[in-house]
Amino acid sequence: DTGVSQDPRHKITKRGQNVTFRCDPISEHNRLYWYRQTLGQGPEFLTYFQNEAQLEKSRLLSDRFSAERPKGSFSTLEIQRTEQGDSAMYLCASSLRGKTEAFFGQGTRLTVV
Amino acid sequence: AQRVTQPEKLLSVFKGAPVELKCNYSYSGSPELFWYVQYSRQRLQLLLRHISRESIKGFTADLNKGETSFHLKKPFAQEEDSAMYYCALSGSRDDKIIFGKGTRLHILP
Repeated sequence: DTGVSQDPRHKITKRGQNVTFRCDPISEHNRLYWYRQTLGQGPEFLTYFQNEAQLEKSRLLSDRFSAERPKGSFSTLEIQRTEQGDSAMYLCASSLRGKTEAFFGQGTRLTVV
Repeated sequence: AQRVTQPEKLLSVFKGAPVELKCNYSYSGSPELFWYVQYSRQRLQLLLRHISRESIKGFTADLNKGETSFHLKKPFAQEEDSAMYYCALSGSRDDKIIFGKGTRLHILP
């Protein structure tokens, strides 16, 4: 499968723990996006990268969230001190700059108990 | 501020009947508009974009700048069209993509 891959697919964690998700984009794609999706809602923009540069971070994102794309390839999204409200599907997408079609991964479903 | 509004959470249509999924947007410049679709147990994928002016799986969408709308239409619904449909907007070729809350299309036999 040469599409966008995300790991893990599911994560259950206790409140207060830290979690990290990984996204591997399509290899030639220089744009990478993170979204959060809760039940009955559309994908909510969190942040995006052009190569290794983080271009924008949503104001909705608290300081507990951080994302990196150190070598302009894969990306990680870390949530520190998880809260029950963080429970959601976290989606990653990638695209080529100048071509705004975004290809999505299957997502990581986070459950905070 | 950029915003995409899909007023219907659920739309039920009989097979063979016409379909129209509504989308309105708010953007101060000239955005790119898209429709994404998510079939059951599949990942989100692009259905069509306004700049292509194409018909995909019988669906079309026309950008109406005066009404700031980008409604998705199909003349004859098919059962395999049942899915979640998301309208999306990008401010430019270098901007982020934001999504509406989605409309679930349910095709009745």
